[in-house]
Amino acid sequence: AQKVTQAQTEISVVEKEDVTLDCVYETRDTTYYLFWYKQPPSGELVFLIRRNSFDEQNEISGRYSWNFQKSTSSFNFTITASQVVDSAVYFCALSGFSSNTGKLIFGQGTTLQVKP
Amino acid sequence: DTGVSQNPRHKITKRGQNVTFRCDPISEHNRLYWYRQTLGQGPEFLTYFQNEAQLEKSRLLSDRFSAERPKGSFSTLEIQRTEQGDSAMYLCASSQTLAGGTDTQYFGPGTRLTVL
Repeated sequence: AQKVTQAQTEISVVEKEDVTLDCVYETRDTTYYLFWYKQPPSGELVFLIRRNSFDEQNEISGRYSWNFQKSTSSFNFTITASQVVDSAVYFCALSGFSSNTGKLIFGQGTTLQVKP
Repeated sequence: DTGVSQNPRHKITKRGQNVTFRCDPISEHNRLYWYRQTLGQGPEFLTYFQNEAQLEKSRLLSDRFSAERPKGSFSTLEIQRTEQGDSAMYLCASSQTLAGGTDTQYFGPGTRLTVL
């Protein structure tokens, strides 16, 4: 079975603070893909990053960075110097190679509120 | 450059009525997915099309639900005899198959269904 757990339901920070969103996954596939999506109040899911299971390099994109650790089955997301516009629900998702369809298994999401 | 579009954006219906939603994927994308998202939860997979073929359906998709993708372009999702439990956001996503990899799904804005 495949599963994604985002244990943090809600996080509230003050602007310019750094914040890390946790994601833990379970899969029996040796080849799999991990994703992060952002869902602002408008409702549309916005793609942020895709990672495959063979690439454990951390990635940085502007204020965003991702830490992938296979040893702990985690794919955490850090926002540096948060801004009010970062307020949204963030979803971590998993796609196992064995599914053949590429369907995504989502976590329950973490609501991030950044206060001015 | 147009993304995934969905119509209508909102639908309010009475219990027992039939409703149909439409999704127009990104034009060159051959894969199309439907997901359902209830309040406070992550999206859950409903069904998947590769071109015009419906290749996977979730157990969530009861026999009151039917989806089509004629000619491998737009897709429709119909719910017959709606129930209050069908109230949710219905999300459509599309992607382009990559050789040897899992593609990235891009989501539409969703159709929010309210069953009274």
